[in-house]
Amino acid sequence: KQEVTQIPAALSVPEGENLVLNCSFTDSAIYNLQWFRQDPGKGLTSLLLIQSSQREQTSGRLNASLDKSSGRSTLYIAASQPGDSATYLCAGTSGNTGKLIFGQGTTLQVKP
Amino acid sequence: NAGVTQTPKFQVLKTGQSMTLQCAQDMNHEYMSWYRQDPGMGLRLIHYSVGAGITDQGEVPNGYNVSRSTTEDFPLRLLSAAPSQTSVYFCASSSAGQAIYGYTFGSGTRLTVV
Repeated sequence: KQEVTQIPAALSVPEGENLVLNCSFTDSAIYNLQWFRQDPGKGLTSLLLIQSSQREQTSGRLNASLDKSSGRSTLYIAASQPGDSATYLCAGTSGNTGKLIFGQGTTLQVKP
Repeated sequence: NAGVTQTPKFQVLKTGQSMTLQCAQDMNHEYMSWYRQDPGMGLRLIHYSVGAGITDQGEVPNGYNVSRSTTEDFPLRLLSAAPSQTSVYFCASSSAGQAIYGYTFGSGTRLTVV
């Protein structure tokens, strides 16, 4: 059974700081790993998708890595801004079933 | 290109009432899923489908029914609503195959059962 864990549950940083969000998963047969952003009361916005054959993906100030052998993914946010404040969710797609399983999320607050 | 469309956006039900949450996608995606999101519980998979005519249970299927008669639509039925089903419901879809390109989510349905 695929389980996804995110650490830390909450994070508060001053503006401008570089930060790393962590995600671990138990299923080594994972197809891909997807990072989402969710603002309070809103839906999910896909940030980055790392397919199983890839090791990382970049979009602007965001960089996500995937290490299937260790069961870990990280989301790196460079030069954080108050507008980055949101909950960040990682989710893995099982290679056997296609099911997408979520971690509990990391709630980020970037203080001006 | 509408993506994943969920209706209604908000709904209030009385305990014991039934209703159907609608989900439609126009991307010809084979995979479709329903999630519920509750404070402190994260997003939990209710039911999912890998193609028309094929459905299976997720983590929290009790109290919900699904069917998939077409590729485009994946409705979620609450047979007899209970206060414990108060939640935000999200529908998602993805293409299948060896290179799964990630899931696209609808904007959600906020359901309150009183």
